[in-house]
Formats: sequence, structure tokens, C-alpha cells
Amino acid sequence: GAVVSQHPSWVICKSGTSVKIECRSLDFQATTMFWYRQFPKQSLMLMATSNEGSKATYEQGVEKDKFLINHASLTLSTLTVTSAHPEDSSFYICSASNRDSGMFFGPGTRLTVL
Amino acid sequence: AQSVTQLDSQVPVFEEAPVELRCNYSSSVSVYLFWYVQYPNQGLQLLLKYLSGSTLVKGINGFEAEFNKSQTSFHLRKPSVHISDTAEYFCAVRSGGYNKLIFGAGTRLAVHP
Repeated sequence: GAVVSQHPSWVICKSGTSVKIECRSLDFQATTMFWYRQFPKQSLMLMATSNEGSKATYEQGVEKDKFLINHASLTLSTLTVTSAHPEDSSFYICSASNRDSGMFFGPGTRLTVL
Repeated sequence: AQSVTQLDSQVPVFEEAPVELRCNYSSSVSVYLFWYVQYPNQGLQLLLKYLSGSTLVKGINGFEAEFNKSQTSFHLRKPSVHISDTAEYFCAVRSGGYNKLIFGAGTRLAVHP
């Protein structure tokens, strides 16, 4: 199957700083990428849907000014958590898809905000 | 709105025993259903999916699931589990736009020797 990578896999930051997480589709062009967050022992909650070259569509309750999503190319989407706080600590997972290849998930990024 | 309910948060089972993880969905339109597995600190891996056709779907690692429209269910089964099957399992339904997935709360399968 297709490969989706995330970088970094684990990041620790101080409260108030910003963190950028990258999601890359390594062997196919992803017209759509999704960002999820997962709290410990809970399910994945969709944060936003990102189509290449256009603004992301955020789910209800997700602050678009806090979670900045950029999908500038068919192989890369970034999620920036701005002014991170301890309550933003979570496991962030991206998925990448196109009509022909289906959808594939990245391995996730664990964010810990101190 | 579509939703997914996984009835069991945890399922303990002994090695080589059969297992069924339950999933019910709500939808007023045609559905596409998925089961994913997540090992600790990892992303999701697709086990199997139902898009159309035969209601019995076979996936990887010996898992299978049966789509039951009348009962709005998509239960996951394996006739004989291994220790390595210990993981979190998520049922999901495709909602709205292309490939947008709604996940259930997950079921933790714990296989004991």
C-alpha cells in the first residue's frame, strides 16, 4: 500500500510556543489530506479536511486560527499548533487520499506541551 | 448525520479463542464501512472495508466482517486470535465528502495466553 509519513514522530514543547507537524504522501499524489487528533484511550476526532491548493475545512469546535493547516502541494500538508498549551497535548494523525489510491494514514505525531 | 457505535470498549479473550468485535452504524444513505487496527503509538492500518457487493468481507490477518443492512451492523470476527492481535480496533463509516471518515470509540482487544 501507499506510504504516508509524519514528522516529527514525537515533539515536546514549552507552553506558548508553536509546533509544526508535517504529513507527506511518499508515493502518490494526495488531493485530499485529513488531520485527526486522538486523546489517550479515545477515538480519532476529525479536525479538518484539506484539499490541495485551497483553504482547509474545519470541523465544528476546532479553532482554525489555532490549528493552521497548509496543503501547498500534492504530497505535503502541514499542521501548525500555534501558542500551544498543555491541553493541546495529544496524538495527531494525518491521512492522505486520492480517488484512485484510496486513503492511507500516517504513523502519528505525539505532542506534549509542558 | 452518520455515526458509529462500538458496543464494547474492551474485549478480553484467551489465545486461539474466537472473537467478535461489534459495530453498529446509523445512516440514511448508502454506506461504506471500514475496520482499522491501531497498535500502541502507531497510526491506523486498514483491516478491511465494505463498499458494495458481497456482504462478507475478508481482510488481513485472518479477520472478516459481515455487513448486515437490516441490523445496521458491521461486526468484525476472527476464528482464532493470537497474542499479536492485541490492539485497538476502530470501526468507521465514510461520511459526506470523499473519504471523510467518522470513527467509533474503539474496542481494545486484549489477548491473553
